Amino acid sequence: AQTVTQSQPEMSVQEAETVTLSCTYDTSENNYYLFWYKQPPSRQMILVIRQEAYKQQNATENRFSVNFQKAAKSFSLKISDSQLGDTAMYFCAFMKLGDMRFGAGTRLTVKP
Amino acid sequence: DAEITQSPRHKITETGRQVTLACHQTWNHNNMFWYRQDLGHGLRLIHYSYGVQDTNKGEVSDGYSVSRSNTEDLPLTLESAASSQTSVYFCASSDSLSGNTIYFGEGSWLTVV
Repeated sequence: AQTVTQSQPEMSVQEAETVTLSCTYDTSENNYYLFWYKQPPSRQMILVIRQEAYKQQNATENRFSVNFQKAAKSFSLKISDSQLGDTAMYFCAFMKLGDMRFGAGTRLTVKP
Repeated sequence: DAEITQSPRHKITETGRQVTLACHQTWNHNNMFWYRQDLGHGLRLIHYSYGVQDTNKGEVSDGYSVSRSNTEDLPLTLESAASSQTSVYFCASSDSLSGNTIYFGEGSWLTVV
């Protein structure tokens, strides 16, 4: 079974600075999808960014970008120009054939 | 607008009772999932379905069951609720096995006393 590891339970960053959240995964599959989800205190799961494993180009969504290293099975999330509204839990997720598995999450706090 | 809804949003039940959490999606997605979220574990997959009459066990399926009689609904049943099943439950759906679009419900808070 696929496993997803987020090694940073908590992180903090000053407003307007850049922060990187780490994620590694273990799989024997070649084609799969990777995701970062944001969960604010409301508990709603919000898709931040998505990466197809067959694409070498790193995905980018406005201030959010990923560093996808397929050989290393690493999928980190970079948040630029951090905003107070970015404070939330962030989950890395792996998906293959509709079966999605999540990491334990990283609690990010953006400080003013 | 299409959506995915869960009910009830909050429930308190007693140990040993049968509980059913409803999930209804209007996206016409083939794939539906149930997760539970506990502190320190992120979201863990309970059961999932790729279509009508199809159900599959996830990583924490013991004590839970699902049925898929139509495309829109995947109810989750706790046969005999236990305190260890106190959790937040999320239903989700996706439009294809490629995972192009995944939508989550707002969560159901279940407390077993």
